[in-house]
Amino acid sequence: ETGVTQSPTHLIKTRGQQVTLRCSSQSGHNTVSWYQQALGQGPQFIFQYYREEENGRGNFPPRFSGLQFPNYSSELNVNALELDDSALYLCASSLLAGSYYEQYFGPGTRLTVT
Amino acid sequence: TQLLEQSPQFLSIQEGENLTVYCNSSSVFSSLQWYRQEPGEGPVLLVTVVTGGEVKKLKRLTFQFGDARKDSSLHITAAQPGDTGLYLCAGASLTGTASKLTFGTGTRLQVTL
Repeated sequence: ETGVTQSPTHLIKTRGQQVTLRCSSQSGHNTVSWYQQALGQGPQFIFQYYREEENGRGNFPPRFSGLQFPNYSSELNVNALELDDSALYLCASSLLAGSYYEQYFGPGTRLTVT
Repeated sequence: TQLLEQSPQFLSIQEGENLTVYCNSSSVFSSLQWYRQEPGEGPVLLVTVVTGGEVKKLKRLTFQFGDARKDSSLHITAAQPGDTGLYLCAGASLTGTASKLTFGTGTRLQVTL
């Protein structure tokens, strides 16, 4: 069974640029959630994708967007990068979208915005 | 706004000591999950508790969910250096049709020889 994988591992971007982060869900999981973890804090929920549609969103602006593909992999896109977007971006997959289903996290992508 | 507060924030103990980490909220959660995170890595799921009053044991770790499903605790017996890490509690709830996790502030544990 393959766990959650994310790419790239690290990324450095300049303020104002755009970035795309990628996630492959754990085998058999059809729900993907994205979280932002700033240094020294717990992860914050960005949004969740189920059956290729966004089915819930946290308090993040529209410049944070995503996609889910038929193979359940997912992308997180961030436009007009700001310095405060520097963080560890985590992807988590779960078997289904209900709150009783455990979420399993990938290793994360460390984004630095300069 | 759902908030989860963990205490203590930092804990430095010697090998063999016992410790308890607390996770408290004013909100009710469908379930509560405990994770451990190493620097630069993603959180690793330790346990999920669902029923109020539930107690789960994982070797030297004991997890308890409060009767009202608002709080939880993690007790480690005879801590070892390998237990060092950031411990996060996370409450699961529905926002629309999405199941989101609300994370606590974290407890950073260091176990020394």
